[in-house]
Amino acid sequence: NAGVTQTPKFQVLKTGQSMTLQCAQDMNHEYMSWYRQDPGMGLRLIHYSVGAGITDQGEVPNGYNVSRSTTEDFPLRLLSAAPSQTSVYFCASSGQESSGNTIYFGEGSWLTVV
Amino acid sequence: DAKTTQPTSMDCAEGRAANLPCNHSTISGNEYVYWYRQIHSQGPQYIIHGLKNNETNEMASLIITEDRKSSTLILPHATLRDTAVYYCIVSANYGQNFVFGPGTRLSVLP
Repeated sequence: NAGVTQTPKFQVLKTGQSMTLQCAQDMNHEYMSWYRQDPGMGLRLIHYSVGAGITDQGEVPNGYNVSRSTTEDFPLRLLSAAPSQTSVYFCASSGQESSGNTIYFGEGSWLTVV
Repeated sequence: DAKTTQPTSMDCAEGRAANLPCNHSTISGNEYVYWYRQIHSQGPQYIIHGLKNNETNEMASLIITEDRKSSTLILPHATLRDTAVYYCIVSANYGQNFVFGPGTRLSVLP
């Protein structure tokens, strides 16, 4: 019972490099999202998807791209990494339930941009 | 989504009940109250949620006032492992994004 799986767990990038954070869920959830959390702060929404082929921007989308080609996967791409993108990134998913929409989170990906 | 207000921090003695309040005075009729917690920057962990009735599960109890403008999360017998940041979130059903505030930092003291 894997739930939401994120890789890599830790990554160091140089300014200007690009990379992809992977996220996969095995719960057949339609809704997936990416958050970032800076030290001492709450989570902020980057991008989200309500189903395969559909994505939309959250609160802080600049510098990030997403795609949703399958229900299971929702990768987050950093186009040209900047030190301001040093953060912990959380992927989440949610299915349609009869009461409420509980969101399940991955364990996080720690990204440092130098 | 409606905003929530929580105390910045609280202490609780180990073995005692921890009562964490949340104000959500602008909550809409279709919005649920969710509680999550985050331990040491791990992924947020779901605790409980409710619409208007009080709810209880193996982790906690959720008490929602009759006017739904506030709620209280109760951890009946707090342990040191319950030390975490607790987030109260209100959100409508399905597909709605959660807005995380700073939460309440609960410290369970031995």
